[in-house]
Amino acid sequence: NAGVTQTPKFRVLKTGQSMTLLCAQDMNHEYMYWYRQDPGMGLRLIHYSVGEGTTAKGEVPDGYNVSRLKKQNFLLGLESAAPSQTSVYFCASRTYRGKRNSPLHFGNGTRLTVT
Amino acid sequence: DQQVKQNSPSLSVQEGRISILNCDYTNSMFDYFLWYKKYPAEGPTFLISISSIKDKNEDGRFTVFLNKSAKHLSLHIVPSQPGDSAVYFCAASPNAGGTSYGKLTFGQGTILTVHP
Repeated sequence: NAGVTQTPKFRVLKTGQSMTLLCAQDMNHEYMYWYRQDPGMGLRLIHYSVGEGTTAKGEVPDGYNVSRLKKQNFLLGLESAAPSQTSVYFCASRTYRGKRNSPLHFGNGTRLTVT
Repeated sequence: DQQVKQNSPSLSVQEGRISILNCDYTNSMFDYFLWYKKYPAEGPTFLISISSIKDKNEDGRFTVFLNKSAKHLSLHIVPSQPGDSAVYFCAASPNAGGTSYGKLTFGQGTILTVHP
């Protein structure tokens, strides 16, 4: 049981390049989230999804797009990377069944540097 | 505007003593609070939570206290162990009748170091 798996673990991009971060969960969770962590800022929600085929904006969505074509996968895309997107990105998932406030399960993060 | 604040960036404690980590929030719609623990190169892991209908929740060495009138919560670790050394994040959620979808607002984190 792998839980939440993020790929890649590290990536360096040049300004203007694009990339996709992949998140996969094997817990059959309905909800999935993308957060970014920056020094002194904590974790901030970028986008989230409450089910296959649905996505919504979080606190800091600009410059990112997401897709959830399959229940177990949640993709985060950067179309034209900027240095301000240098961060550590965390994917998380949770279930809503049976427990209203079930906790988030996080992946181990992707460290992205944009030069 | 930081709705959840952890004003102490770091805390250093001796093994066996009590660690107290603090968190303040400003949004009165928050009614569910959690603490997460994070080791380097890993994702945050859930530690303990509390609903606004309670003022205390205990789980082994960890106790969370909630003071709704002061919009303040704290995490007590007794006794502290070197393995507790990590970054601790406070998080809050407005249940809002279920429409919050589990979205959490996190504080900045506090680095706890427990010395042997």
